[in-house]
Amino acid sequence: DGGITQSPKYLFRKEGQNVTLSCEQNLNHDAMYWYRQDPGQGLRLIYYSQIVNDFQKGDIAEGYSVSREKKESFPLTVTSAQKNPTAFYLCASSLWTKGGEQFFGPGTRLTVL
Amino acid sequence: RKEVEQDPGPFNVPEGATVAFNCTYSNSASQSFFWYRQDCRKEPKLLMSVYSSGNEDGRFTAQLNRASQYISLLIRDSKLSDSATYLCAVNSGGSNYKLTFGKGTLLTVNP
Repeated sequence: DGGITQSPKYLFRKEGQNVTLSCEQNLNHDAMYWYRQDPGQGLRLIYYSQIVNDFQKGDIAEGYSVSREKKESFPLTVTSAQKNPTAFYLCASSLWTKGGEQFFGPGTRLTVL
Repeated sequence: RKEVEQDPGPFNVPEGATVAFNCTYSNSASQSFFWYRQDCRKEPKLLMSVYSSGNEDGRFTAQLNRASQYISLLIRDSKLSDSATYLCAVNSGGSNYKLTFGKGTLLTVNP
């Protein structure tokens, strides 16, 4: 089955800790994205990557870091510098030839204790 | 003007009703438009893509008005299972990579 997987589903973190969220896709998509969603809010873009070894900041990149060493994988690290990290994190991927249709993974709910 | 704005909602309609949502966008260079459905505490799922003037899929019709810079989603014969948040997304200025999402409109279909 082709799709996007994210792990873990739920993550609890103590203040001051860095955590890494996993995102893997086997759709052979070129581009991958990370979004953050807060209650009652839309999706805000954190980082995106068009090709391997290249990525760009989105609208709210401060306090986050990413890597794209493989086409299939785009992990997101939430650092201790992120002031309000509690949120629902969504990873997505797309084929550039399809006009930008993005498909989402099931998400990771991060709670900072 | 915000990049992408949606009807704030919420919409509460009886089963069988027809309901329409609007979404306005500010970037006239946008080329691709999408409607997503998001159930509570789940990921958004692509409902419809709109590349030209409109698209229809069963009870769902999406329309694009480039002159007025808005897209709409019409749901006919609403079902209880249509209850969800509907997000519109707009391609950002010609790039095939970035989408800007609206905040979503909550629809509740009542028996």
